[in-house]
Amino acid sequence: EAGVAQSPRYKIIEKRQSVAFWCNPISGHATLYWYQQILGQGPKLLIQFQNNGVVDDSQLPKDRFSAERLKGVDSTLKIQPAKLEDSAVYLCASRHTGKVSSYEQYFGPGTRLTVT
Amino acid sequence: AQRVTQPEKLLSVFKGAPVELKCNYSYSGSPELFWYVQYSRQRLQLLLRHISRESIKGFTADLNKGETSFHLKKPFAQEEDSAMYYCALSTAGGTSYGKLTFGQGTILTVHP
Repeated sequence: EAGVAQSPRYKIIEKRQSVAFWCNPISGHATLYWYQQILGQGPKLLIQFQNNGVVDDSQLPKDRFSAERLKGVDSTLKIQPAKLEDSAVYLCASRHTGKVSSYEQYFGPGTRLTVT
Repeated sequence: AQRVTQPEKLLSVFKGAPVELKCNYSYSGSPELFWYVQYSRQRLQLLLRHISRESIKGFTADLNKGETSFHLKKPFAQEEDSAMYYCALSTAGGTSYGKLTFGQGTILTVHP
């Protein structure tokens, strides 16, 4: 099966600009996650979707970050306006809910964002 | 709130030597513990899960609830084991099931 796809792979923007990241999960995976990974740290969950509904966005900085998964398939994460501290790798992951082995999350390659 | 601590940022061993990557956690409920690995220029991927009690690529990890630890061990390290290793915790149930809390990671380097 095809893996989780993300684009773009790299993005450089200036502070106060806007940026959007796209994720296409593995076909049939109902659960989708966005993580932020700052250099030297482990990934931190930003938001979790179950189909097109938000399950957990407690760590999403909602004043500048937004995410949607309108049709329950692919998802977009947006930052507006960006700050220097948003420089990080943004990882998307998906999980098949309902199967016996549904505990495993499958990660995309990530988008590396640099804010200057 | 849950927390995962990996005390070693870097760990270097020689090929054939035993290796142990430490992981400690704090969580008031019943956790699920995982080890994820990221090889150079590859995606983050699951290595093993405590419930399955499997040995993957020679690695094992035992959940010690008394010491709240989930250390990853391998008796004889190989050069291809060089990678970044993350310990992660998931809550066992609830609407946020599957949400992972990661440690900071340990870079393992196995020298020839």
